[in-house]
Amino acid sequence: EPEVTQTPSHQVTQMGQEVILRCVPISNHLYFYWYRQILGQKVEFLVSFYNNEISEKSEIFDDQFSVERPDGSNFTLKIRSTKLEDSAMYFCASSEADRTLYGYTFGSGTRLTVV
Amino acid sequence: AQSVTQLGSHVSVSEGALVLLRCNYSSSVPPYLFWYVQYPNQGLQLLLKYTTGATLVKGINGFEAEFKKSETSFHLTKPSAHMSDAAEYFCAGSSQGAQKLVFGQGTRLTINP
Repeated sequence: EPEVTQTPSHQVTQMGQEVILRCVPISNHLYFYWYRQILGQKVEFLVSFYNNEISEKSEIFDDQFSVERPDGSNFTLKIRSTKLEDSAMYFCASSEADRTLYGYTFGSGTRLTVV
Repeated sequence: AQSVTQLGSHVSVSEGALVLLRCNYSSSVPPYLFWYVQYPNQGLQLLLKYTTGATLVKGINGFEAEFKKSETSFHLTKPSAHMSDAAEYFCAGSSQGAQKLVFGQGTRLTINP
């Protein structure tokens, strides 16, 4: 069964450093998403991306965050200057269509620890 | 606005017993509702979903859920728990036409031998 692949599975970074989280969505999917889960809290929507642009973003997704699809396969989330409160599990997802009707496929997540 | 609440952050049942994980939603419009499961070190896997039509939805691994509009609920059940069901379960919802999912806080299910 097709999978969404995320790398690395765990990343530790110092406060103020830039990090890039990488995702390889399912090949025929057109819509891409990032969610995060701070330990002990709910899974939260960050951003959705379609046709090389952001289609929706949450209040969390401020100027410190950016997303990119640099080639035909990767989808990345960049945090420019990490803060302690950015420590969380980050999930990438993709879907065939823009509606949750069809369901997402999630990756296994990247645990980001900011120290 | 859409919100999803899961009652009980931890649920523990004996092997062979009924599993009941509770989820309530609030929405001004009929929602789409989902249950996801997360096994250790794995991603979120779709168990089942309700969009339209039959209110009793069957999913993978013997799980099912019933959409009850009058109770604004979408509880997840399984008649007989297996040890392999131990995982974290997430209820999620979205409005029709929306892209994003709104998640509940998750329920960790433990199965006792």
